[in-house]
Parts: sequence; C-alpha cells; structure tokens
Amino acid sequence: DAGVIQSPRHEVTEMGQEVTLRCKPISGHDYLFWYRQTMMRGLELLIYFNNNVPIDDSGMPEDRFSAKMPNASFSTLKIQPSEPRDSAVYFCASSPTPGEKLFFGSGTQLSVL
Amino acid sequence: KQEVTQIPAALSVPEGENLVLNCSFTDSAIYNLQWFRQDPGKGLTSLLLIQSSQREQTSGRLNASLDKSSGRSTLYIAASQPGDSATYLCAVSGSARQLTFGSGTQLTVLP
Repeated sequence: DAGVIQSPRHEVTEMGQEVTLRCKPISGHDYLFWYRQTMMRGLELLIYFNNNVPIDDSGMPEDRFSAKMPNASFSTLKIQPSEPRDSAVYFCASSPTPGEKLFFGSGTQLSVL
Repeated sequence: KQEVTQIPAALSVPEGENLVLNCSFTDSAIYNLQWFRQDPGKGLTSLLLIQSSQREQTSGRLNASLDKSSGRSTLYIAASQPGDSATYLCAVSGSARQLTFGSGTQLTVLP
C-alpha cells in the first residue's frame, strides 16, 4: 500500500483565497483524522471521520474550516476565506480502528500571505 | 482535559549512548499510548503502541514502558545512532479514542 497520500505538498496563497487540501487514506482504514501542526500549538486534532461520517469536529477552529469525506478513499479540508494565521502543516492520518496505530501522510505545508 | 508533557524539549548525545525520553500525562484513564518519530518536513511514523493493560513494548533498539497509575511513559533507545536524530512525540488515547500529543523531544545524535 502507498500509505496515506496528501496533496498538494505545498500551498502558497493570498489572504482571502479558498484553499482545498486533499487526502487519500489507506485502503481498509475506517477512521480518518485531520491534524494541524504549528510551532506554537503543536499537533491539534481538527476533525475525524468514521466510515465517512464526521464524528467530532470540535477542533475545527472556525466556520471558515470545513471537511468532507464523500467516500472511503477521499477526504478534503477546505478553508474559505484563508487568513495568515491558518499557515501551518496540515496532516491527514488514518487507522483501521481508533485504538490502533495511526498512519500519517506527509502533510501539506500551507502558507497564507 | 488531558495534557501531555515531554521533557526535555531537546537532547543531544554522542553516538552509541543509551538514552531515555520522558512523557507524562495528567489523566490516567487512557486507552493506549503511542510513541511517534517525526523527521524534518515529514509526517509522523508510529514506533510503538502500548495498550493500557500492558507495561512495555519493544521493537529492535527501542523499548517503551508505561506506568498508567503515575501517568508516565519512557522511550528507551539503546546504542543510539545518527540516524535516530528526529523529533519523538508521545500521544495518549482516551475514552473517545482521540490522540492527545505532547510537544515532542528533538533528539540529535552526534557522530
């Protein structure tokens, strides 16, 4: 298996623009997680899905953030409109069950100017 | 709310030395604990997972222990190598099975 695949690897955009981050989890993994990593706050859980259904989105910072999982092999995290404080590395991760090892993608480095 | 602390924030050791990384957590009602490795510009790789009923797990030169009652875990790395240089993160899973991460220990092994 190719592991968790994220795209793009890097995204540079201007404040106010819409940003869409993409993730393909490992096949057969029923749980998908979106994390954000910054120097100041470390790794924060934004939202997670079980069998394509959002279970807990309490970590989503604002209404500007939204996430979808239309099928078992694809998820998106959208920021609209983006702001400079959204600059961070966004990770997608998946696991077969929540109590098992978590597999991370390589992340998307987002810079909002 | 669960809080996970890792001390020290950074550690530098000469090659060949045995070392211990520390992790503490405030709520002992955990489901499991994982140790991850993160290389610069990369994602996290799960190294070891310890279930709450277990005391330790071993993989090669790595040994992780868990003392749930005292809220502590250690990651022991034997005979360190320059290739072990990375940031090591500890994460605990609570009843909701969500992981809470520590801020990590940045390890540098000098050749």
